[in-house]
Amino acid sequence: EDKVVQSPLSLVVHEGDTVTLNCSYEVTNFRSLLWYKQEKKAPTFLFMLTSSGIEKKSGRLSSILDKKELFSILNITATQTGDSAVYLCAVEVKADSNYQLIWGAGTKLIIKP
Amino acid sequence: DGGITQSPKYLFRKEGQNVTLSCEQNLNHDAMYWYRQDPGQGLRLIYYSQIVNDFQKGDIAEGYSVSREKKESFPLTVTSAQKNPTAFYLCASVPSGSPLYNEQFFGPGTRLTVL
Repeated sequence: EDKVVQSPLSLVVHEGDTVTLNCSYEVTNFRSLLWYKQEKKAPTFLFMLTSSGIEKKSGRLSSILDKKELFSILNITATQTGDSAVYLCAVEVKADSNYQLIWGAGTKLIIKP
Repeated sequence: DGGITQSPKYLFRKEGQNVTLSCEQNLNHDAMYWYRQDPGQGLRLIYYSQIVNDFQKGDIAEGYSVSREKKESFPLTVTSAQKNPTAFYLCASVPSGSPLYNEQFFGPGTRLTVL
């Protein structure tokens, strides 16, 4: 059975700290891994990763994929209170002629001022 | 402005009642999806539709029904057969011609509470 596991489930840090969120997966027919940020409502897309070892970067956020060890990390440097959110990881897999997303449970990140 | 709208934002329902959640998009996307989100769990796929007049069951379709009569609209009905309907429901769509999920656009969600 395909599964995506995120860790930690929740994390509380102080403003300015650096955090690393983890996403490990066990799936067949891997296609891509995606990171989303969910604040109060709908998730917003952060990164899509398809190749191992290539870092994707957007401001203070960065992410990398290891397809050999089957995991990805999301780094946030110099955290701000606005980074407080649930961070969701999802793995896209090919199923028959369609594509599906397998979602992790999310990491709830709280940034204290 | 283009986007996805869901209504209502909050919905309360008595046990035994059916209720329909609205999802409308004006992005000209072919594919639309319904997810359910519960505390401590990832998004779970209820139904999806890749084209008008066609839809497929997701992982947790029991107790739900959908229709796709128009490209812009993908309403979800939570029936009385759904044993635990209290949850946050998210609708999403994907640009036409793309099998990838990297551009999945989400609506603001509907929080359903069964009293």
